[in-house]
Parts: sequence; structure tokens; C-alpha cells
Amino acid sequence: GAGVSQTPSNKVTEKGKYVELRCDPISGHTALYWYRQSLGQGPEFLIYFQGTGAADDSGLPNDRFFAVRPEGSVSTLKIQRTERGDSAVYLCASKTTAGANVLTFGAGSRLTVL
Amino acid sequence: DQQVKQNSPSLSVQEGRISILNCDYTNSMFDYFLWYKKYPAEGPTFLISISSIKDKNEDGRFTVFLNKSAKHLSLHIVPSQPGDSAVYFCAAFNQAGTALIFGKGTTLSVSS
Repeated sequence: GAGVSQTPSNKVTEKGKYVELRCDPISGHTALYWYRQSLGQGPEFLIYFQGTGAADDSGLPNDRFFAVRPEGSVSTLKIQRTERGDSAVYLCASKTTAGANVLTFGAGSRLTVL
Repeated sequence: DQQVKQNSPSLSVQEGRISILNCDYTNSMFDYFLWYKKYPAEGPTFLISISSIKDKNEDGRFTVFLNKSAKHLSLHIVPSQPGDSAVYFCAAFNQAGTALIFGKGTTLSVSS
């Protein structure tokens, strides 16, 4: 597609539930990133995929968070046993491997855990 | 510990004047820096970047300056316009080149 697409744009869930957030990167972009942005903070790095593999998952806060990219295109961020502190905007970005070192971001998925 | 710091949460400027947004970093190994702009309910959009081999990069009304010895960079917007009102984030790639590390952002308000 023309840009990075994220769904859903808004998700409200109850504490303890399981949530999946989807990212459809720009076609042909092999690098994909997940970030989390809390109120008043900058985007916080979670995980980076190069193709199908997670090249850097050092930003995942704990084992409740997991992300996959099985075919090297669409990625899903999965959060188990959600907690109120997980409430944030989850941003996805993609980048081409060649050329400028610039990440293109989607509009984000706003997660609210009640 | 914040590796990229934007110490001014907000900045107010009159239309036509210069806006100067500042950013400091702690890791001298960082070698590529970017500025992003963010409007409410949208993702950050790329504005301008600079490599550590340069000390200045200009694109229209936007200029980024890099002072490696001070580990400091700044974004100048001249002349400022009301449409520039947004949150501005400074970011740097980590040493491995696997993650872009962001500051907390500065909210710029340009009044007409």
C-alpha cells in the first residue's frame, strides 16, 4: 500500500484480556518496527524485524508481549493478560533496507485497558 | 536512562520568527540523527536528518545543526508558520543500527 496501515485504530479491552494489533507495512519494505507511545513521552522501541525474523526484541517489556511477521510483510503485536499500564498508542513503522535510513510510521493503534 | 533528551517540553513562537528546538544525546557513538513532526492522532512524519560526518543540513525552511563535541543538535525553522504547530521529536539510531531512539518531544506552538 501507499503507507503503513495499522488496525484497529482504537481498541478498548478489560484487564486480563488478550489483544492483537496488526501492521501492514509499505510494500517492499523489509524492515518493520513496533513502538509504544505513552502520554507525554516519545515513542519507545519494542521490536525490530528484518524480513521474517526479529533482529532486535530488546525493547519488549516482558513476556506478555510477543510479535510475529510470518511472511515478511504483515506483522502482529500480541499482548497477553493485559494490564492498565499497557494503555498507550502502539506505532508501527517500516523502512526499506536500501537508501535513506528513514522510518515511515503508521497512525498507530490506541489501546485502552480498563 | 534517557539517551536522547529534549529538555524543553514546549516552545511558543510568533509567526514569521525563528523556532529553535534543542536536543542532547549521551552516546558519542550515535552517528545518524532525525527529526520527526507529529500532529494529534497521526503517526510521526519524517522532517530532516543529519549524519555525524556533517554539521549542518538544510531543507527549505528547516535546518538541523549538529555539534558532536557537545553531543547536541538543534532544529531551526525559519520563518515559522502556524501549520508548524506540532510535537517535534529528536531521534538517533542506536549503535547497532537496529532501533531509533526518541526524545520526549517538544510541543511547538506558532501563533499568527
